[in-house]
Amino acid sequence: NAGVTQTPKFQVLKTGQSMTLQCAQDMNHNSMYWYRQDPGMGLRLIYYSASEGTTDKGEVPNGYNVSRLNKREFSLRLESAAPSQTSVYFCASSAFGTSGPTDTQYFGPGTRLTVL
Amino acid sequence: QKEVEQNSGPLSVPEGAIASLNCTYSDRGSQSFFWYRQYSGKSPELIMFIYSNGDKEDGRFTAQLNKASQYVSLLIRDSQPSDSATYLCAVKEGGTASKLTFGTGTRLQVML
Repeated sequence: NAGVTQTPKFQVLKTGQSMTLQCAQDMNHNSMYWYRQDPGMGLRLIYYSASEGTTDKGEVPNGYNVSRLNKREFSLRLESAAPSQTSVYFCASSAFGTSGPTDTQYFGPGTRLTVL
Repeated sequence: QKEVEQNSGPLSVPEGAIASLNCTYSDRGSQSFFWYRQYSGKSPELIMFIYSNGDKEDGRFTAQLNKASQYVSLLIRDSQPSDSATYLCAVKEGGTASKLTFGTGTRLQVML
């Protein structure tokens, strides 16, 4: 049981390049999330998917797109990378994605992205 | 804008002491509250959550919630050097999908 996995672990891009960050979970969770973490800013939600077939914007969606490929996989795409997107990206998943108070998010190991 | 505030620290405590980490939040409708630990270069890992007023204990960790004061805290008893990490407070909105708003974290240093 690997939990939440992310690829790649590290990536360096040039401004204007595109790339897709991959996330998969094997816990049969309904909901998945993408965050970015910057020094002094904490974790900020980019996009989330409450259930298979749905996606919604979070706090900082500009410059990103997502795809919930199936129940297991949730990808994050940068169409034209900018230096401001240099960050650590975390994917997370939770079981229920409902208003239940105990629905807990579990995080993947992260992707460190540098945009030059 | 929902806000979650934490003192960035570092909070330094001697080994064996009690570490007290605090968090305030702005949204009175917040439903539940999570504490995550994050070691440098690693991902956040869940310590515990709380959603009812009062105390909740799990081993050396105690979470305390006061909704009237919009305040949540984490106590770590018998602090160990391995507890040295950044502790993130996260607040879950009520009535929506499980979106969390995170504080910026408090860095804890446990000294030998």
